[in-house]
Amino acid sequence: QKEVEQNSGPLSVPEGAIASLNCTYSDRGSQSFFWYRQYSGKSPELIMFIYSNGDKEDGRFTAQLNKASQYVSLLIRDSQPSDSATYLCAVKSGNQFYFGTGTSLTVIP
Amino acid sequence: DTGVSQDPRHKITKRGQNVTFRCDPISEHNRLYWYRQTLGQGPEFLTYFQNEAQLEKSRLLSDRFSAERPKGSFSTLEIQRTEQGDSAMYLCASSPGSGDSPLHFGNGTRLTVT
Repeated sequence: QKEVEQNSGPLSVPEGAIASLNCTYSDRGSQSFFWYRQYSGKSPELIMFIYSNGDKEDGRFTAQLNKASQYVSLLIRDSQPSDSATYLCAVKSGNQFYFGTGTSLTVIP
Repeated sequence: DTGVSQDPRHKITKRGQNVTFRCDPISEHNRLYWYRQTLGQGPEFLTYFQNEAQLEKSRLLSDRFSAERPKGSFSTLEIQRTEQGDSAMYLCASSPGSGDSPLHFGNGTRLTVT
């Protein structure tokens, strides 16, 4: 069973703070990792992907991957109320994508 | 708009009826996936196609569910004899299928079985 675990939250941060979202996965053979944002009632929207160990930055978002620890995280700097959503971690293993249950983030103005 | 398109956006049906959903992927994407998502859960894999071939189907998927992608372009997902437990958001996603390309999701079809 290939599992992806996320803290379901809810996670609340004040506007302008850093939000940190975490994800662990069980399959050591997983080769690529994705973060999706999902607003209530909407479909998931890709915001970041990472394939190699280390950090990858895109604007206010930084994805971090540690394959040895089977851990991937997403940092959101200068959090905005519009960042309030559920963040889904997805792990690709072979041709399959496995999703966590998502972490609900609320950014308080 | 060249994104993934799903139709209908919402479907309300009575228990026991059959329903069919359609997905049009991004045109150059040869892989197409169907997922189901219920409240508070992540997307749950149902099946996927590479071109017209259905390569994998979830073992959890009831025989009431069937999917097709007859010409390797659009896909349909049919649920026969719907049950209240089938109420969910049905998501279609496509991918180029090369390397580590991500999934691109459509807007989903929300099914309510009464």
